[in-house]
Amino acid sequence: NAGVTQTPKFRVLKTGQSMTLLCAQDMNHEYMYWYRQDPGMGLRLIHYSVGEGTTAKGEVPDGYNVSRLKKQNFLLGLESAAPSQTSVYFCASSYPRVRPQHFGDGTRLSIL
Amino acid sequence: AQTVTQSQPEMSVQEAETVTLSCTYDTSENNYYLFWYKQPPSRQMILVIRQEAYKQQNATENRFSVNFQKAAKSFSLKISDSQLGDTAMYFCAFMRAGGGADGLTFGKGTHLIIQP
Repeated sequence: NAGVTQTPKFRVLKTGQSMTLLCAQDMNHEYMYWYRQDPGMGLRLIHYSVGEGTTAKGEVPDGYNVSRLKKQNFLLGLESAAPSQTSVYFCASSYPRVRPQHFGDGTRLSIL
Repeated sequence: AQTVTQSQPEMSVQEAETVTLSCTYDTSENNYYLFWYKQPPSRQMILVIRQEAYKQQNATENRFSVNFQKAAKSFSLKISDSQLGDTAMYFCAFMRAGGGADGLTFGKGTHLIIQP
């Protein structure tokens, strides 16, 4: 049972480039989340989804877009990467009622 | 909006000692969940323990236990018989209960070092 899988694990981009981070979960969870973790800080919520075809903004959504076309996948897009988006990105998923979130292993993204 | 405060950026104890990590939070909600997550150098986020606010009994998981003081909005984590493998960042997190999805609100973390 893989749980939550994030692709890729590492990536280096140049300012202005675009890319998509993929999150896949095999636990049939309804809810999925994208967080970012910066040095000296806890994780902060970027966007989340309560089900297929629905997304919502979290605490720090600017500069990111998301899509949930399939229940098991949640994509995070950067249309024009900026150095301020250098961070470690975590995806998580959960059931609606039983709330503990299961996290992926993170993606380290560096933008030069 | 909720806030979570972890006032100890770093702590260091000897192996086998007991250590307590502090966490306070601010919320106007009455129903919510509190969590402690462990993040070792591998970067994984590992759930250590959870507490439902409506439960007065403090949660325990083997060597890990919490002291939940709802009125004081305090949620400390006690690690007994600490082991080298407990060395990690520990994050306290808050989540509202009820309908709809909510993300976790995290504190800034405490770096716990277990010395041999």
